[in-house]
Amino acid sequence: KAGVTQTPRYLIKTRGQQVTLSCSPISGHRSVSWYQQTPGQGLQFLFEYFSETQRNKGNFPGRFSGRQFSNSRSEMNVSTLELGDSALYLCASSLAGGSTGELFFGEGSRLTVL
Amino acid sequence: DQQVKQNSPSLSVQEGRISILNCDYTNSMFDYFLWYKKYPAEGPTFLISISSIKDKNEDGRFTVFLNKSAKHLSLHIVPSQPGDSAVYFCAASSAGTALIFGKGTTLSVSS
Repeated sequence: KAGVTQTPRYLIKTRGQQVTLSCSPISGHRSVSWYQQTPGQGLQFLFEYFSETQRNKGNFPGRFSGRQFSNSRSEMNVSTLELGDSALYLCASSLAGGSTGELFFGEGSRLTVL
Repeated sequence: DQQVKQNSPSLSVQEGRISILNCDYTNSMFDYFLWYKKYPAEGPTFLISISSIKDKNEDGRFTVFLNKSAKHLSLHIVPSQPGDSAVYFCAASSAGTALIFGKGTTLSVSS
């Protein structure tokens, strides 16, 4: 059974640009969550989608957005990039969401903003 | 406001000894707690969980203890092995909410 796949794995952008990250969940999983990992800050929750609907949202500015498609694949977008957006962005999938079961994480997309 | 706190950024233990990783939480609504392990360049992987109706859950060398009155949980690894060296994240949730993670504790097990 294939795991969670995130693309691209690495990318470099400059301030002011925008970026789109993609996540393909484990087959059959309907919940996709996104987290940002930075040194010293742990895993900070961005948002969670379930059956194409945003179910939960973390405390991030509106520059961070996401969506989920009918096949459960998800994308997140960051507009007007800032240096502080440099981080590892992790996607996780589950059958019904983090509150009801474990999350399965991808390897992440490492974003560097110059 | 940090709802899940791991106050020790790092822990060093000798091989064969016990590793104890601690986690505190502030939200009394949390009813499900998990520990994840993360190696460099990999995503976190699930280790062990406990629901609020229990105070202990054991899986091989790993045991998680939950003290609801103190809003505290701990992960015990016995015996510790060099392969256990990783970042350990504590996480918590309640019904309908997202899984909230702590900042992590880096465990180093020396042989």
